[in-house]
Amino acid sequence: DAGVTQSPTHLIKTRGQQVTLRCSPKSGHDTVSWYQQALGQGPQFIFQYYEEEERQRGNFPDRFSGHQFPNYSSELNVNALLLGDSALYLCASSLERNTEAFFGQGTRLTVV
Amino acid sequence: GQQVMQIPQYQHVQEGEDFTTYCNSSTTLSNIQWYKQRPGGHPVFLIQLVKSGEVKKQKRLTFQFGEAKKNSSLHITATQTTDVGTYFCAGLRGGKLIFGQGTELSVKP
Repeated sequence: DAGVTQSPTHLIKTRGQQVTLRCSPKSGHDTVSWYQQALGQGPQFIFQYYEEEERQRGNFPDRFSGHQFPNYSSELNVNALLLGDSALYLCASSLERNTEAFFGQGTRLTVV
Repeated sequence: GQQVMQIPQYQHVQEGEDFTTYCNSSTTLSNIQWYKQRPGGHPVFLIQLVKSGEVKKQKRLTFQFGEAKKNSSLHITATQTTDVGTYFCAGLRGGKLIFGQGTELSVKP
């Protein structure tokens, strides 16, 4: 049983570019959440998807958007990249919104 | 806004010593979860506390949830080198999991 998988593992982008990160949840999980983790900080909640809809959103600008597909996998899109968007992006899946979250290994995004 | 504060930020202990990290929320939480993140790794779920005043134990780890459901603690007895990592509390409120800044634990053999 595969856990949460994320792709790519590392990515380098230039300021102003757009990026798409992908996540496949743990088998049987229907809820996907995305987090941004800056170096030395705790993960910051970006948003959560359930039944293909954004259910909760953290304090992130509209440049951050997402999508969930019928198979529960999810994408995180970031437009007009800024240097400050450099971070580890974590995807977490759960069966229901109030249960434990299983995290993927993350995508390390570097914006230059 | 909603905040979860965690102290201390760093803790260096000698192997065999005890370790405690504390977590405080500005608002009442539905539940609190604890995660461990090894260097270069991703957060791994340790436990979830739901009830006011709840205490749970996992071998050398003891987790507590405050009576007001605003604070929590993790205590590790007789630390081992395998305990090294950053411990995060995460409060659930309104469907959002709000993480503390984490406590980085280093253990000197």
